[in-house]
Amino acid sequence: QQQVKQSPQSLIVQKGGISIINCAYENTAFDYFPWYQQFPGKGPALLIAIRPDVSEKKEGRFTISFNKSAKQFSLHIMDSQPGDSATYFCAASNGGNTPLVFGKGTRLSVIA
Amino acid sequence: NAGVMQNPRHLVRRRGQEARLRCSPMKGHSHVYWYRQLPEEGLKFMVYLQKENIIDESGMPKERFSAEFPKEGPSILRIQQVVRGDSAAYFCASSPGSGGVSDTQYFGPGTRLTVL
Repeated sequence: QQQVKQSPQSLIVQKGGISIINCAYENTAFDYFPWYQQFPGKGPALLIAIRPDVSEKKEGRFTISFNKSAKQFSLHIMDSQPGDSATYFCAASNGGNTPLVFGKGTRLSVIA
Repeated sequence: NAGVMQNPRHLVRRRGQEARLRCSPMKGHSHVYWYRQLPEEGLKFMVYLQKENIIDESGMPKERFSAEFPKEGPSILRIQQVVRGDSAAYFCASSPGSGGVSDTQYFGPGTRLTVL
């Protein structure tokens, strides 16, 4: 049973456009929702994270939108650049020191 | 401040051999997590350890896999009698362990295990 569903599986966006990746979760005990960026051959790197007490968090070109009632959250990358081309993973956990449950990832390609 | 370190970065084993993967957490971090990533898949949790203690091993196969995090030295993920299905990237993450906003997990570069 997949606890975090991520879509789309792959995404192609024009340079300067907005990339949107969506995730849905099932476990209402989750209260920490990070997004990780992974380049080929590298480990995942934390991009941005949110907790359910806010509906939106913005850091630079990256924004997380969170809808607690729908149990959904999404990543928006504004002004997408070729250097943003990577695989993005959403994740969720019960907070504190608990394991992360990952989505299957979205492979983003930003083309000029 | 060095990040999470893993070695080896690449490991090739023949079926039936043992694989030992090492993870040194970030300085000041006392909590270590191991995850496995199969091709085109997300990361799957395997085990969570603190110094000298296994806290949660619910994601680790019951046979052939073991993990430790001794008082001194790196955390070790050990796979005995490897099979082709063990071929994957194994990532270690560490966190400070104080809970709350400090529960961010920082990942190492991974060990890519290939079983021939």
